[in-house]
Amino acid sequence: DVKVTQSSRYLVKRTGEKVFLECVQDMDHENMFWYRQDPGLGLRLIYFSYDVKMKEKGDIPEGYSVSREKKERFSLILESASTNQTSMYLCASSSDGQIKYFGPGTRLTVT
Amino acid sequence: GQQVMQIPQYQHVQEGEDFTTYCNSSTTLSNIQWYKQRPGGHPVFLIQLVKSGEVKKQKRLTFQFGEAKKNSSLHITATQTTDVGTYFCAGGGSGYALNFGKGTSLLVTP
Repeated sequence: DVKVTQSSRYLVKRTGEKVFLECVQDMDHENMFWYRQDPGLGLRLIYFSYDVKMKEKGDIPEGYSVSREKKERFSLILESASTNQTSMYLCASSSDGQIKYFGPGTRLTVT
Repeated sequence: GQQVMQIPQYQHVQEGEDFTTYCNSSTTLSNIQWYKQRPGGHPVFLIQLVKSGEVKKQKRLTFQFGEAKKNSSLHITATQTTDVGTYFCAGGGSGYALNFGKGTSLLVTP
């Protein structure tokens, strides 16, 4: 019953490290999303992709980049991790405007 | 850009009491989604509303979409301890992405 998976549930990285968060979906969805979730701030969109090799900035793209080389995989990259990027990162996918499935999340701590 | 405001931020009820959370958008929405997130979990899709004035029910949960498609509500009748969690609304606009409200955290005490 796998729908959206994320490479790690918990991750601890040091300031300045390059961090890769991987997301894979098995529903052949065109659209994939990366959100971060922080207490009191809800879910904020970082980047999304509506097709292979296509990407669009969300509300808070600074400090992040993404890669979508294959339809099923959407990667979030933190070029140089900083402590203010400590957060829960959620990946999601959709075939239309309806996001039905989120991944389990990656709780990233940057020390 | 599109803003979705959700109130209240927190709600603490006794088991058996009713609960309502409200979402308001600054612009007309094409649709609205509702999600539930249990503590330590990820958001789980509950329902999508598309039509103006639409009302949908799932057992004790009632979802409404306003006539102007700018507001929505989720009402839970006779809460149970299993209803504990954070409820999010997310508004769809003209693009691909959704804009999430900040959520209402519901605590139910027996």
